[in-house]
Amino acid sequence: DIVMTQTPLSSPVTLGQPASISCKSNQSLVHSDGNTYLSWLQQRPGQPPRLLIYTISNRFSGVPDRFSGSGAGTDFTLKISRVEPEDVGVYYCMQATQFPLTFGGGTKVEI
Amino acid sequence: EVLLVESGGGLVQPGRSLTLSCTASGFNSGDYAMSWFRQAPGKGLEWVSFIQRKTYGGTTDYAASVKGRFIILRDDSKSIVYLQMNSLKTEDTAVYHCVRGGQDVWGKGTTVTVSS
Repeated sequence: DIVMTQTPLSSPVTLGQPASISCKSNQSLVHSDGNTYLSWLQQRPGQPPRLLIYTISNRFSGVPDRFSGSGAGTDFTLKISRVEPEDVGVYYCMQATQFPLTFGGGTKVEI
Repeated sequence: EVLLVESGGGLVQPGRSLTLSCTASGFNSGDYAMSWFRQAPGKGLEWVSFIQRKTYGGTTDYAASVKGRFIILRDDSKSIVYLQMNSLKTEDTAVYHCVRGGQDVWGKGTTVTVSS
């Protein structure tokens, strides 16, 4: 199984300031079709997860452009350019390159 | 509006069975692979099971923790995906989410509690 490791576990942030979350996999996430199936999901308190970013850097429909994803191979990053109050929650990276699909442990973003 | 609504959760004793349903609306679920994910209380997300669209063979896959106990099925005529859960264990206690294809649509979830 592919192991996904997220850091930090918790990220105290200041409104209007940037935030960054790292996600590393223990093997390459490049699929045989050439795509890298690394996604970022946001889970606000009491809500189901919501897709933010797919295939490393593509923002899902309706996701604000303050969210961006980058990386390649085994190292990936989610950045929030200016944290807003509604960004509070837990963020997960997830790989869908290979079954079983696996998640990072989550990063709690709190003001 | 694209929606996934799960149902069928509840309190069940260890060793018993339960079947979850996921009803899709606002899109043709037959055009998509579908998955179940779960989240134990206070824990992170875990993928449980996957079923491919029938035009791609309808293949299924399972997490090791549920393989041999859970079965995923789909009835595209009713836009429903099922998760048949057998030989339930206390560690299966979680909120179960139905999820479309590339994880772009998530249901709110249904709670399964396995306890004596």
